[in-house]
Amino acid sequence: EVQLVESGGGLVQPGRSLRLSCTTSGFTFVDNTISWFRQAPGKGLEWVCLIRSKTYGGTTDCAASVKGRFTISRDDSKSIAYLQMNSLKTEDTAVYYCTRGDGNWDGHYWGQGTLVTVSS
Amino acid sequence: DVVMTQSPLSLPVTLGQPASISCRSSQSLVYSDGRTFLHWFQQRPGQSPRRLIYQVSNRDSGVPDRFSGSGSGTDFTLKISRVEAEDVGVYYCMQGTHWPQTFGQGTRLEIK
Repeated sequence: EVQLVESGGGLVQPGRSLRLSCTTSGFTFVDNTISWFRQAPGKGLEWVCLIRSKTYGGTTDCAASVKGRFTISRDDSKSIAYLQMNSLKTEDTAVYYCTRGDGNWDGHYWGQGTLVTVSS
Repeated sequence: DVVMTQSPLSLPVTLGQPASISCRSSQSLVYSDGRTFLHWFQQRPGQSPRRLIYQVSNRDSGVPDRFSGSGSGTDFTLKISRVEAEDVGVYYCMQGTHWPQTFGQGTRLEIK
């Protein structure tokens, strides 16, 4: 069974940092793109970042709203992906979800999400 | 960015009746290889999103066949042939053809 479990969320002050983890099982992590999406309270869905498999160069991409502040990485030996979030803003407050794949292909799964609250 | 516009935003439906959600994109979603990366997601109350349909009309594993997707170019539709109580939630279309991926605003389906 495919599982993705996000962790690391919490309450943080504006300007501070937080690192989210996405621990996975049930599929061959090394062969898959991992993405992060988010959903602000009561709002819709927004793509945040993705990291491709090493087969596709392990390249990363992030939305313009977080570029330069957020960094995505992966540890293929542990089947874990990370989202390092720096210089957090109040508008980054959201539930953050990691997913297997970017949504374009077969076998797309979501975790249960972790809440990040940026507030003083 | 490609703007995805869904209608209606609220959809009250009687149990057992059909339902239809429209999604329009500001640009054609046909990729250079001929594929169309338009997908549909369901988010039940208090749950994570779940993809139902990918590349316009392919049902994901475990999705009931009462859900179907159709369309082309800039105009797409999600249909539910007979609405059941478990279908209550918010439905989103998403395009993955153009960077960045973008979602529609969501359509809230409720039971009348």
